[in-house]
Amino acid sequence: GAVVSQHPSWVICKSGTSVKIECRSLDFQATTMFWYRQFPKQSLMLMATSNEGSKATYEQGVEKDKFLINHASLTLSTLTVTSAHPEDSSFYICSAHRPRTSTHNEQFFGPGTRLTVL
Amino acid sequence: DAKTTQPTSMDCAEGRAANLPCNHSTISGNEYVYWYRQIHSQGPQYIIHGLKNNETNEMASLIITEDRKSSTLILPHATLRDTAVYYCIVRIGSARQLTFGSGTQLTVLP
Repeated sequence: GAVVSQHPSWVICKSGTSVKIECRSLDFQATTMFWYRQFPKQSLMLMATSNEGSKATYEQGVEKDKFLINHASLTLSTLTVTSAHPEDSSFYICSAHRPRTSTHNEQFFGPGTRLTVL
Repeated sequence: DAKTTQPTSMDCAEGRAANLPCNHSTISGNEYVYWYRQIHSQGPQYIIHGLKNNETNEMASLIITEDRKSSTLILPHATLRDTAVYYCIVRIGSARQLTFGSGTQLTVLP
């Protein structure tokens, strides 16, 4: 299967600082990437859909000014958590969409980034 | 997307088959059944998907009932590394989004 990487794999930051998480599709071009957040013992919650060359689409309840998404190329999307607070501590996972000629559109997930805000 | 219902947790003995059920009684005719799994602190991994026929790949088999209202994921010879949360998701094949439910925590016991 295709490979999606995330960097960093974990990060610890102080409250009030900003943190940038990168998501890269290594062997295919992804016009659409997704960002999820997962709290302990909970399921993945979609935060936003990132489309190359256009503004991201945010899910209800997700603050677009706090979670800045940039999808400047077909292989890279970034999520910046601005003015992070302890309640933003979570596991952030990206996925990249690879369309196929069949009716099935594949989505490949990154390994996740563990954010801890002190 | 149609809602799915899965048991919260299941245990399976190592080397035995693990059968994970999923109910999707409101599935539409153009919706596929997808299975993903998530090993602790990792990103989800695609396992298999199907529309109405049974499917098999190197990881698992997917059995979909004739009325398509339920399905079963079968791991034929479970290993300790199969311990994970397994998510059953129903969606249109051309859709880009995935909506995760609570999944089933499968624990493979030695």
